[in-house]
Amino acid sequence: GAVVSQHPSRVICKSGTSVKIECRSLDFQATTMFWYRQFPKQSLMLMATSNEGSKATYEQGVEKDKFLINHASLTLSTLTVTSAHPEDSSFYICSARGGGQGGNSPLHFGNGTRLTVT
Amino acid sequence: SQQGEEDPQALSIQEGENATMNCSYKTSINNLQWYRQNSGRGLVHLILIRSNEREKHSGRLRVTLDTSKKSSSLLITASRAADTASYFCATDEGYSTLTFGKGTMLLVSP
Repeated sequence: GAVVSQHPSRVICKSGTSVKIECRSLDFQATTMFWYRQFPKQSLMLMATSNEGSKATYEQGVEKDKFLINHASLTLSTLTVTSAHPEDSSFYICSARGGGQGGNSPLHFGNGTRLTVT
Repeated sequence: SQQGEEDPQALSIQEGENATMNCSYKTSINNLQWYRQNSGRGLVHLILIRSNEREKHSGRLRVTLDTSKKSSSLLITASRAADTASYFCATDEGYSTLTFGKGTMLLVSP
């Protein structure tokens, strides 16, 4: 089946530094990837939709200059949390829908990245 | 506002019992999907039911959809300790993204 690999699984960084999270589709081409954020015992909040070769579409309230998304190839999207602060500590999850898969298809999720900013 | 709302928020049962989780939503949908999340991990797709379907089965899972009431239910039969996880419903409104509910935390005790 479709596999999405996300890494790192955990990262601890100091305030003010930047962290890059990678999301790769291993056995399919992902024209669209989605980045979610999840707080403890909460639902997934969609941050942005990443489209290969074009700018990401950010959800309302998500700072595009803080959460940089790059989808340079059909198998890789990256999320960079810039100038991280403790309030950015969270669980970030990426997901992908394969090329040609429109509606009525499931999302394939990475295993998430636990970010802790000290 | 949250599209999907699961009920109950938490459910604790014994192995062998059935677990039923409900999901309500507000707008028209193309399909509704159920996902499972183990603690600290990503989500795993369980089952998708289309708006023109009323019931679907997959192994020990049974999903129903009532579009008139804008609700869905997930039934896990003969539960096992390994079923312990959070379960989320997600609605596809046709905009390529999914909107997730708050989830039900299921604890199955041996």
